Amino acid sequence: KNEVEQSPQNLTAQEGEFITINCSYSVGISALHWLQQHPGGGIVSLFMLSSGKKKHGRLIATINIQEKHSSLHITASHPRDSAVYICAVGGGSNYKLTFGKGTLLTVNP
Amino acid sequence: DAGVIQSPRHEVTEMGQEVTLRCKPISGHDYLFWYRQTMMRGLELLIYFNNNVPIDDSGMPEDRFSAKMPNASFSTLKIQPSEPRDSAVYFCASSDRRGAKNIQYFGAGTRLSVL
Repeated sequence: KNEVEQSPQNLTAQEGEFITINCSYSVGISALHWLQQHPGGGIVSLFMLSSGKKKHGRLIATINIQEKHSSLHITASHPRDSAVYICAVGGGSNYKLTFGKGTLLTVNP
Repeated sequence: DAGVIQSPRHEVTEMGQEVTLRCKPISGHDYLFWYRQTMMRGLELLIYFNNNVPIDDSGMPEDRFSAKMPNASFSTLKIQPSEPRDSAVYFCASSDRRGAKNIQYFGAGTRLSVL
């Protein structure tokens, strides 16, 4: 079974700061997902990536397949970025996801 | 599209009662997933369907849990009898593999409290 570790568990930042959340996994995968869960509970998929880097607005996700590691970066953080960020990895079929415990990000104005 | 629709949003029941959670996936999606989220264990996959057929139910905790997908637009997750340790948020998600997207779209979840 794939073990997915996220760090840090909790992160508090000031508005405008650059944020990095890390995700490591133990077994080779076909894809890695970053999800965002807002305080209201809804879950939104941010990225799915299997190599390299993807960018969407102020969010950047990178993955290093050899190192079994991914990072989610937020540039110019804003209070509305406050949420739980969850890393999930998919195995051979890519449908069955294993999730990290999440990183609670709080961005203060 | 309205997205993935789950009902009810909140359910409070007493131990021993039957609970049925409902999900309507996004039209045209051929994969449907049921997840459970707790503080202790985070998100866990319970079961997933492809074209209405259960593919992997290894995450279903025990025989008290069952899931069905009678057609492409409806799925249920049933707990009978319910126990306090089943209290959690249950999410349904759907995905369209045919576009090679593999992005999963989540419903708003059902918050279940078993007293």
